[in-house]
Amino acid sequence: QKEVEQDPGPLSVPEGAIVSLNCTYSNSAFQYFMWYRQYSRKGPELLMYTYSSGNKEDGRFTAQVDKSSKYISLFIRDSQPSDSATYLCAPRGGSTLGRLYFGRGTQLTVWP
Amino acid sequence: KAGVTQTPRYLIKTRGQQVTLSCSPISGHRSVSWYQQTPGQGLQFLFEYFSETQRNKGNFPGRFSGRQFSNSRSEMNVSTLELGDSALYLCASTLGGREETQYFGPGTRLLVL
Repeated sequence: QKEVEQDPGPLSVPEGAIVSLNCTYSNSAFQYFMWYRQYSRKGPELLMYTYSSGNKEDGRFTAQVDKSSKYISLFIRDSQPSDSATYLCAPRGGSTLGRLYFGRGTQLTVWP
Repeated sequence: KAGVTQTPRYLIKTRGQQVTLSCSPISGHRSVSWYQQTPGQGLQFLFEYFSETQRNKGNFPGRFSGRQFSNSRSEMNVSTLELGDSALYLCASTLGGREETQYFGPGTRLLVL
């Protein structure tokens, strides 16, 4: 079993839709939870960073972490065609500072 | 502030050859991590260097090695290339502390023929 599971999609939604992206993980030592966005043929770009359980909002993006169920979510409100990309969840532990454990990524397409 | 830079951006090699990839972190960042990205396996951690010392290592064979210089620039080397080594190699840098997050470069796309 991979440490981080993420549905690869693809996910296709109309412009303006609310998008929900999710990951589950198995390692209870994970304390920091990142979401990266990767456009085709580019490196991953940091989108959201959350520590421990709870919610964090940044503009149209909301990240949620539920450590009790080992569940990570990213919500995108009012989705735009420019949001079309692959979204990667990437938790890490408190001791393995330089190592992220990536999900496979969910490919999202927002059509106008 | 300039981002993470990687050179070269594209590379074509043949089986059995070796290759060296370079990564320059964001100014002030002391930690550099390397990842391999393939369609089949996704992003997999290779190793991390902090202040010229390897701090973490993933589950890759010994053909994959790296080093970090005193100016925090890092190189990774792959010897005796195999077809399966074709991938996007990404490096990421961070200040190195517990609260810090990683910032990625654009990657080096390696094709092994």
